[in-house]
Amino acid sequence: ILNVEQSPQSLHVQEGDSTNFTCSFPSSNFYALHWYRWETAKSPEALFVMTLNGDEKKKGRISATLNTKEGYSYLYIKGSQPEDSATYLCAQKTSYDKVIFGPGTSLSVIP
Amino acid sequence: GAVVSQHPSWVICKSGTSVKIECRSLDFQATTMFWYRQFPKQSLMLMATSNEGSKATYEQGVEKDKFLINHASLTLSTLTVTSAHPEDSSFYICSAESYYEQYFGPGTRLTVT
Repeated sequence: ILNVEQSPQSLHVQEGDSTNFTCSFPSSNFYALHWYRWETAKSPEALFVMTLNGDEKKKGRISATLNTKEGYSYLYIKGSQPEDSATYLCAQKTSYDKVIFGPGTSLSVIP
Repeated sequence: GAVVSQHPSWVICKSGTSVKIECRSLDFQATTMFWYRQFPKQSLMLMATSNEGSKATYEQGVEKDKFLINHASLTLSTLTVTSAHPEDSSFYICSAESYYEQYFGPGTRLTVT
């Protein structure tokens, strides 16, 4: 993998469903992995920053895991709510200080 | 929490004119700010890293004479799009770094007619 990739591109789930999406990144020169939530007409909001292989972070119903050896991170949302609707971006920071964003996963939670 | 503002939030200008976009960190000082551009349906592309008191570092393919960046103080960085053309129409967003975390502004939508 040469770029940061995210899948799926978009996702529609019913309120109450749990969901997850993937961020894939080059495992070489890894320094940190960031997750952001970007709601329409607002600034991207930092969710998590993870640096160590095996890291797991949790904030309320949202959690994330990191595998630096294979180059992926998962973001999980438990019991999705309409207010979770947003684009979720991941970004890799490399050891030479470059930040590369993925294209994002657009989540719509249907009431 | 850390707040970053951007001004203007949207601007329409005529081809050939220059446009200045301001990025301010409101409640913290940022020695490093970043400028991104987003094309429709694409991800944020880093244009340049702005360091207070020194020249900005531009990413490959970004014309530094066209996109002038000035980081005059620890709370303000400006991006000036000089001699704008319709292909410069885009969404420009800045972020400011504090304790290794990036805080984003709300973005500026530039339309060049």
